[in-house]
Amino acid sequence: NAGVTQTPKFQVLKTGQSMTLQCAQDMNHNSMYWYRQDPGMGLRLIYYSASEGTTDKGEVPNGYNVSRLNKREFSLRLESAAPSQTSVYFCASRAQGLVGNQPQHFGDGTRLSIL
Amino acid sequence: DQQVKQNSPSLSVQEGRISILNCDYTNSMFDYFLWYKKYPAEGPTFLISISSIKDKNEDGRFTVFLNKSAKHLSLHIVPSQPGDSAVYFCAASGGGGGADGLTFGKGTHLIIQP
Repeated sequence: NAGVTQTPKFQVLKTGQSMTLQCAQDMNHNSMYWYRQDPGMGLRLIYYSASEGTTDKGEVPNGYNVSRLNKREFSLRLESAAPSQTSVYFCASRAQGLVGNQPQHFGDGTRLSIL
Repeated sequence: DQQVKQNSPSLSVQEGRISILNCDYTNSMFDYFLWYKKYPAEGPTFLISISSIKDKNEDGRFTVFLNKSAKHLSLHIVPSQPGDSAVYFCAASGGGGGADGLTFGKGTHLIIQP
């Protein structure tokens, strides 16, 4: 019963390096999300994808790109990593309910440090 | 400006007693509210939610209350158990602006003391 799976769990990068964070869900959910969490803060939305083939910016999109590869997978790319992007990154997915709202379900996060 | 506020960074409660976690919001367009529980090194786990058309939702030991006029919601845990020790996040959706996704508070660290 995997749910939302994120890889890698930990990563250290040097400033200027690029990296792609992977996320996959096995719940047949339409919507997928990327958040970041900084110390003492709540989660903040980076990008989301309401359905396969669509992506939209969230609250803090600068410095990131995303790809909704298929219904299961939603990746987050840092083209040129900066120390300000040191954070814990969470991926989430959500079903689109026939009636009412549905909660988001989260992966266990990727802890990213940029030196 | 923070649209979802959890003003208590931490809360300590004795085992068996009631835990009450509070959350305030400023955006009157929010129409769905959720509580998540988070253990260290894990992702947030969905706990309970409430739609803006209701004022109470109950699930076992957990009850969420919504006061729309005060823009306030609370999570009650009765009775509190040691496994409830975690960080609790309040979140909201439907805030307008066209963006999907949740707006989170900063969290309250609940400590259940034996």
